[in-house]
Amino acid sequence: EDQVTQSPEALRLQEGESSSLNCSYTVSGLRGLFWYRQDPGKGPEFLFTLYSAGEEKEKERLKATLTKKESFLHITAPKPEDSATYLCAFAGNSGAGSYQLTFGKGTKLSVIP
Amino acid sequence: EADIYQTPRYLVIGTGKKITLECSQTMGHDKMYWYQQDPGMELHLIHYSYGVNSTEKGDLSSESTVSRIRTEHFPLTLESARPSHTSQYLCASSDPQAWSTDTQYFGPGTRLTVL
Repeated sequence: EDQVTQSPEALRLQEGESSSLNCSYTVSGLRGLFWYRQDPGKGPEFLFTLYSAGEEKEKERLKATLTKKESFLHITAPKPEDSATYLCAFAGNSGAGSYQLTFGKGTKLSVIP
Repeated sequence: EADIYQTPRYLVIGTGKKITLECSQTMGHDKMYWYQQDPGMELHLIHYSYGVNSTEKGDLSSESTVSRIRTEHFPLTLESARPSHTSQYLCASSDPQAWSTDTQYFGPGTRLTVL
């Protein structure tokens, strides 16, 4: 069964303290790995899409990387405004096609000033 | 940037009432989706649409129904609300890309509470 696991469930960082969030997945054929940011009471905001192992993408203090079994979201010198829940999702070769995303439960990041 | 709107943002309603959650997008996207999300839990797909007059059920069983009469509009209806329907409902849309998996853009969500 296709599934995605995110760790840790929650992470508290001091401002400026770099760290990484993990997303491990099992899927028969990966068609895309997505990272979203979700603020409380709001819809997910798209961050990155990764398609193949070895691929990396960056945006401000965030960098996403992908291997054959997991993806990491690296946060460099975080600021309090980076506090949010970060969601990982993948699209696999399910019978339903590329529009089916399987989401993890997310990692709740808190950055303390 | 995504332009996708949901109304109402918050709804508190009594058991047995019929409700419709609205979702509209101005990007001309063919594909639209409805997800359900409980606090601290994953998003689960409940309905999706390839385009006008197309609707399909997602992985999560739901008593809601949807319609797609216009490209930009994808409303979700509950004929008789129950406390078990209390949840966050998120609408999304995407523009199919032949060369890659299309990215889904989300609206702000509707927080539904059924008393």
